[in-house]
Amino acid sequence: SQQGEEDPQALSIQEGENATMNCSYKTSINNLQWYRQNSGRGLVHLILIRSNEREKHSGRLRVTLDTSKKSSSLLITASRAADTASYFCATDDAGNMLTFGGGTRLMVKP
Amino acid sequence: ETGVTQTPRHLVMGMTNKKSLKCEQHLGHNAMYWYKQSAKKPLELMFVYNFKEQTENNSVPSRFSPECPNSSHLFLHLHTLQPEDSALYLCASSQGLASDEQFFGPGTRLTVL
Repeated sequence: SQQGEEDPQALSIQEGENATMNCSYKTSINNLQWYRQNSGRGLVHLILIRSNEREKHSGRLRVTLDTSKKSSSLLITASRAADTASYFCATDDAGNMLTFGGGTRLMVKP
Repeated sequence: ETGVTQTPRHLVMGMTNKKSLKCEQHLGHNAMYWYKQSAKKPLELMFVYNFKEQTENNSVPSRFSPECPNSSHLFLHLHTLQPEDSALYLCASSQGLASDEQFFGPGTRLTVL
């Protein structure tokens, strides 16, 4: 079954605005990762947050993790047209394999 | 460039053909993966190899046959595929299993006629 589920499925914003995507999961995890995928290309790792961490930053990215709610959020600040892509969360399940969610399609309009 | 290459980038094949997808990683990683990405479906893990040994086969039909001759190369042999097998096939590698960051190749866009 699907471990991570992103919300919303699609998001359209203007350049300069912030974009927030959420991920919910079902079982206990060791860590949660966020990936980005440009259309028809491979995924690119953005950030990894461990289960004992609550917040992590990388450039314009901010990730939070709430293990009590089994949820995570990815915030992209001051978005750019080049941020247009699909964003996926991935969690490691009991078998130590990564399970990906369905993704959020982000469109940043110039 | 992520250090993971895949060939071919695009492939069109008939249901009776036999073809192979190739993946190569230049990162010195020990684990390699095949994923299938279909439209409007989550990324599906197909196979996992760790130190050349298959550790995971996610109930994949036998018409998909993986091969890992060494830690740097991974193949996916295809035969008698179905139109519903049309998808983007992604290869990835990581230093260790699962919890490590995975590096993805650009994918092979497969169309089965």
